[in-house]
Amino acid sequence: RKEVEQDPGPFNVPEGATVAFNCTYSNSASQSFFWYRQDCRKEPKLLMSVYSSGNEDGRFTAQLNRASQYISLLIRDSKLSDSATYLCVVKVRGTALIFGKGTTLSVSS
Amino acid sequence: EPEVTQTPSHQVTQMGQEVILRCVPISNHLYFYWYRQILGQKVEFLVSFYNNEISEKSEIFDDQFSVERPDGSNFTLKIRSTKLEDSAMYFCASTSDGGAEAFFGQGTRLTVV
Repeated sequence: RKEVEQDPGPFNVPEGATVAFNCTYSNSASQSFFWYRQDCRKEPKLLMSVYSSGNEDGRFTAQLNRASQYISLLIRDSKLSDSATYLCVVKVRGTALIFGKGTTLSVSS
Repeated sequence: EPEVTQTPSHQVTQMGQEVILRCVPISNHLYFYWYRQILGQKVEFLVSFYNNEISEKSEIFDDQFSVERPDGSNFTLKIRSTKLEDSAMYFCASTSDGGAEAFFGQGTRLTVV
């Protein structure tokens, strides 16, 4: 069973659209949760941490449901510059980050 | 803004050769990591390093791999006898306290031929 699973994508949306990504994780002992962004052939960069109460950063909203082992990311008013692969990441124990395969978003004008 | 730097950006090597990938983590960070990403696949954890020793490693990190912090700034990954399947992007990362945001370097693309 895969540790972190994400929507396969790709998501192709017009500018201004709202798009949601989902992620599930298998290990109930997971302690920390993140969304990273990865541009083509570049390094992953932290987009936002995900907290149990849910959190928002501008156009981005992240939610965590520990009971369902489910994480989501909502992007409102999509911009061309949002085009990237979005990686769901969890930390089970220790310090290693466990990555999902990512969901590709393409925003078009 | 402080950053993690990796060299070289691209390395081509013959199968069976040894390679050393180099990283300079952010100067006040204490935890260091190597990850790899095979083309089209997910980012995979290899090893974490703290207080001059390996703190955690994955199944991928077998005897052909080793890490070292030879001085106060560099953090290296050595692959002893490269295989074709070692071809991947290798990312170094560092964190200040093991739980905070991980900063990644730009990666070294390793191609084994």
